[in-house]
Amino acid sequence: QVQLVESGGGLVKPGGSLRLSCAASGFIFSGYSMSWIRQAPGKGLQWISYISHTSTYTSYADSVKGRFTISRDNGKNSLFLQMNSLRAEDTAVYYCARDGPATDDNWGQGTLVTVSS
Amino acid sequence: DIVMTQSPDSLAVSLGERATFSCKSSQSLLSSSNNKNYLAWFQQKAGQPPKLLISWASTRESGVPDRFSGSGSGTDFTLTISSLQAEDVALYYCQQYYNTPRTFGQGTKVEI
Repeated sequence: QVQLVESGGGLVKPGGSLRLSCAASGFIFSGYSMSWIRQAPGKGLQWISYISHTSTYTSYADSVKGRFTISRDNGKNSLFLQMNSLRAEDTAVYYCARDGPATDDNWGQGTLVTVSS
Repeated sequence: DIVMTQSPDSLAVSLGERATFSCKSSQSLLSSSNNKNYLAWFQQKAGQPPKLLISWASTRESGVPDRFSGSGSGTDFTLTISSLQAEDVALYYCQQYYNTPRTFGQGTKVEI
């Protein structure tokens, strides 16, 4: 079955950096586009980034553009999110999700990123 | 960006009764090229990631009970739970994937 496992979250100071990873299994990773979506504590869902299956196309929410970089390694079935210049408002659970025939059809359990001094 | 607005924010329904809630988009989600509405519904239970229930406004995902149904077109959509079960207590989000950035509604909390 489809499995997505995020890692790399933790506590970081404002202005710091963090790299999230998402290990995929149970499907042909190279055949699917992927997204990162976050959820601040007690808040709703916010899509933040997307990457096509061959990495040809990437897209970002305005709130993270220029600070976050999405990438993937199809040989290692892995998705990444490099997060720089982190702010308190970036505190959230970060989910990776597979882009199915319609939209985000499988999600990982998420990894918590806390930005605080 | 397309703004998604859900109503109500919360809803209490008796077991076995019908639950209905709404999602409105700030622009049409109906594509003229394929006549499909780019609207999805997700269910999020406490402490869990969201789960895709319905895509294309009315197509249930595999394994989703048939008490869940989606309807609507253009800018107005509805999710109905025909007979509420205890396990349906959750937050429900609509999402448009008509264009980027994909945007979500603020959620409707369903309680018993």
